[in-house]
Amino acid sequence: DIQMTQSPSSLSAFVGDRVTITCQASQDISDYLNWYQQKPGKAPKLLIYDASKLETVVPSRFNGSGSGTDFTFTISSLQPEDIATYFCQQYDNLPYTFGQGTKLESK
Amino acid sequence: QVQLVESGGGVVQPGRSLRFSCAASGFTFSSYGMHWVRQAPGKGLEWVAVISYDGTNKYYADSVKGRFTISRDNSKNTLYLQMNSLRADDTAVYHCARDLTAGSGGVLDYWGQGTLVTVSS
Repeated sequence: DIQMTQSPSSLSAFVGDRVTITCQASQDISDYLNWYQQKPGKAPKLLIYDASKLETVVPSRFNGSGSGTDFTFTISSLQPEDIATYFCQQYDNLPYTFGQGTKLESK
Repeated sequence: QVQLVESGGGVVQPGRSLRFSCAASGFTFSSYGMHWVRQAPGKGLEWVAVISYDGTNKYYADSVKGRFTISRDNSKNTLYLQMNSLRADDTAVYHCARDLTAGSGGVLDYWGQGTLVTVSS
């Protein structure tokens, strides 16, 4: 199975800050990577697919980049509604695997 | 709008069985692959199984292979997960999710809120 190592596991930031989360795959997954947002008690929401493509109606302050084994997710200016846990997920090979998650908190 | 609503979770003893459902609406259910993904309390997400749009192709995580069966009824717009020989480590919230494609492409674009299964004696 492909292992996805996501960091950091938690992060505190001020509203307006730039936030960066990384995800590393244990082998080359090309650009077969998604990013999801999950708020407590809610369903995960797809934000980015194919490593860098923004899902419909997702604000442009969210950005994804990378290919191969190293990927980055960025929020350019943190908003209060962005407080959530974020997960990466590879879909190069079954079984699909997720990163451990990054819990984003407000300072 | 797309809606996925799971039902059928609950408390079940180890070794027993449980089946739960995911009712889909707001899209042509028979055109999309569907997944189950679970989340143990306080833990991350674990992909469980996928079924193609017509039910002919199914894939499972090793942790559930031989014990869980994914199925669908396109006439009822409903996805199912039959879970047998349940273990304590199957305790989780189980989400159904739609695949962006008709098969197992792997981009899960809509998710249900989930149903909690607790395996405990």
